[in-house]
Amino acid sequence: DAGVTQSPTHLIKTRGQHVTLRCSPISGHKSVSWYQQVLGQGPQFIFQYYEKEERGRGNFPDRFSARQFPNYSSELNVNALLLGDSALYLCASRYNTGELFFGEGSRLTVL
Amino acid sequence: GIQVEQSPPDLILQEGANSTLRCNFSDSVNNLQWFHQNPWGQLINLFYIPSGTKQNGRLSATTVATERYSLLYISSSQTTDSGVYFCAVEQGNSGYALNFGKGTSLLVTP
Repeated sequence: DAGVTQSPTHLIKTRGQHVTLRCSPISGHKSVSWYQQVLGQGPQFIFQYYEKEERGRGNFPDRFSARQFPNYSSELNVNALLLGDSALYLCASRYNTGELFFGEGSRLTVL
Repeated sequence: GIQVEQSPPDLILQEGANSTLRCNFSDSVNNLQWFHQNPWGQLINLFYIPSGTKQNGRLSATTVATERYSLLYISSSQTTDSGVYFCAVEQGNSGYALNFGKGTSLLVTP
């Protein structure tokens, strides 16, 4: 079975641009979460979606938004990119409660 | 929010040595996971262990929820064990957010 898949794996943007990151959960998993990991730190929670509804939001500005589709895949959107948005963006899925499984991440560089 | 502290922050071992990594958390939790982050950034699940003890090969983990700590044991370490080990916890009303510690960076030398 495929694990959590994310795309793109690497991307470079310039300040002020917009970015969309995509995530497909493990088959059968209805919950998707997004995390941001800056260099040298642990991942920080951004959003959690379950059955297409936002169930949790971390301490991130409104420039960050997300959505979940009927097939349970998800997109993370970041507007008006700042240099500080450079990070590894991780998507995770879970079946119901319990164990989270992470994808390989999308590494974003903002110049 | 809940605080997660991991120790030690850095660890250097010679191949074959054993080690214990610790995770302290400041409040009751309903989920605790240990991850290994490889050099490419992927978080590999090691244990889902909100309480009790589990073993998987050379690795084992124990969580004492009432005392708010968890331990990860690595025996007979190998160079492939190098990387960053994260402990992450989830509180009941957190919106299912995992709160990560800052990690323990492990280097195993030949």
